[in-house]
Amino acid sequence: DQQVKQNSPSLSVQEGRISILNCDYTNSMFDYFLWYKKYPAEGPTFLISISSIKDKNEDGRFTVFLNKSAKHLSLHIVPSQPGDSAVYFCAASTHGSGNTGKLIFGQGTTLQVKP
Amino acid sequence: ETGVTQSPTHLIKTRGQQVTLRCSSQSGHNTVSWYQQALGQGPQFIFQYYREEENGRGNFPPRFSGLQFPNYSSELNVNALELDDSALYLCASSPETGNTQYFGPGTRLTVL
Repeated sequence: DQQVKQNSPSLSVQEGRISILNCDYTNSMFDYFLWYKKYPAEGPTFLISISSIKDKNEDGRFTVFLNKSAKHLSLHIVPSQPGDSAVYFCAASTHGSGNTGKLIFGQGTTLQVKP
Repeated sequence: ETGVTQSPTHLIKTRGQQVTLRCSSQSGHNTVSWYQQALGQGPQFIFQYYREEENGRGNFPPRFSGLQFPNYSSELNVNALELDDSALYLCASSPETGNTQYFGPGTRLTVL
């Protein structure tokens, strides 16, 4: 039972354009969502997160949008740079003290940004 | 501030053997979670340790066990290794349970 899904295994965009990575979830108990970036031979690096009480969170070139009714979130990268080329994982959890906050990950989307 | 570190980087074992992987949490973090990442998949939660006690477990058999020490570093032990245990094992630490987790570089385990 895949509770978090990233339906696009790969995405290719031109440098300077927008990259949009999508993620769907099924468990309505999730209240905290995160995006991680992973380079080969490295562990996942935390990028940005969003609480279920918000619908948007922005950090520099990265913006995450949350649509709770659709159980969908997306990560926008503007402008995309070649160094953004990596595997991006969406993750969901139940946040806050008293919860483990264990992360349920999607399968990942490989982003390639072409110069 | 030192991030999460893991050792060893790579490990090769044969079926039936036992293995111990180690993790040092980020300074100030008291919670350590372990994940298994198979090729082409997202990481899967194995278990979490909080203040030296197991604080939640994923769908992994009892031959996967762990420890957390007073300095909050942690070990993952796997007994009776199977071929399917070949994966990248990731350790993540957080300031408290339920907080954002920060990952180490992982240990690549190959079981032959």
